[in-house]
Amino acid sequence: NAGVTQTPKFQVLKTGQSMTLQCAQDMNHEYMSWYRQDPGMGLRLIHYSVGAGITDQGEVPNGYNVSRSTTEDFPLRLLSAAPSQTSVYFCASRTTGAGNTIYFGEGSWLTVV
Amino acid sequence: DQQVKQNSPSLSVQEGRISILNCDYTNSMFDYFLWYKKYPAEGPTFLISISSIKDKNEDGRFTVFLNKSAKHLSLHIVPSQPGDSAVYFCAASTGTASKLTFGTGTRLQVTL
Repeated sequence: NAGVTQTPKFQVLKTGQSMTLQCAQDMNHEYMSWYRQDPGMGLRLIHYSVGAGITDQGEVPNGYNVSRSTTEDFPLRLLSAAPSQTSVYFCASRTTGAGNTIYFGEGSWLTVV
Repeated sequence: DQQVKQNSPSLSVQEGRISILNCDYTNSMFDYFLWYKKYPAEGPTFLISISSIKDKNEDGRFTVFLNKSAKHLSLHIVPSQPGDSAVYFCAASTGTASKLTFGTGTRLQVTL
């Protein structure tokens, strides 16, 4: 996928643990976002950012924090992991202008036990 | 409230035939629509898009049709190839594509 890198690809957490999913893009895109994909639910927006220093909530933000200190990076933090956060997480980015394509990373598989 | 619906969870088509994937939406403010293709263990990849000012957009074997009055769009793949076997997501946005609303996906299997 075009220039969006996510780490780690797989992670198992215990309930109550915290962790950060990393996302970096090298395309100088202003917009970055995080989605989660659950069976039968499609992809749902967690948080997004329209530029460095600016973030906003998406459809399912509870239990997650984000920050955007640089254009390139957009980490997603799970403050106290819960089994309901077991999911596949996708980071995405795009440049400005309505209608531009969103590029997705390859995904991070998270299991909370 | 599912604003973007893909009512067919799966579709099987023979190689060489046409695949038609459907998508319905309820939010009349949506003005940009995209189709993404997803293979297992990979991120979604952009396939084709259409603005609400158009009713058709074509790119090679892929054509998307938009019927605004019916709040319906469809993706046609002609001819279908085995490599097209994947999950296809329909997505919609209002104004900017930074906040996409996705459907639940349709798994397409192209058989030999």
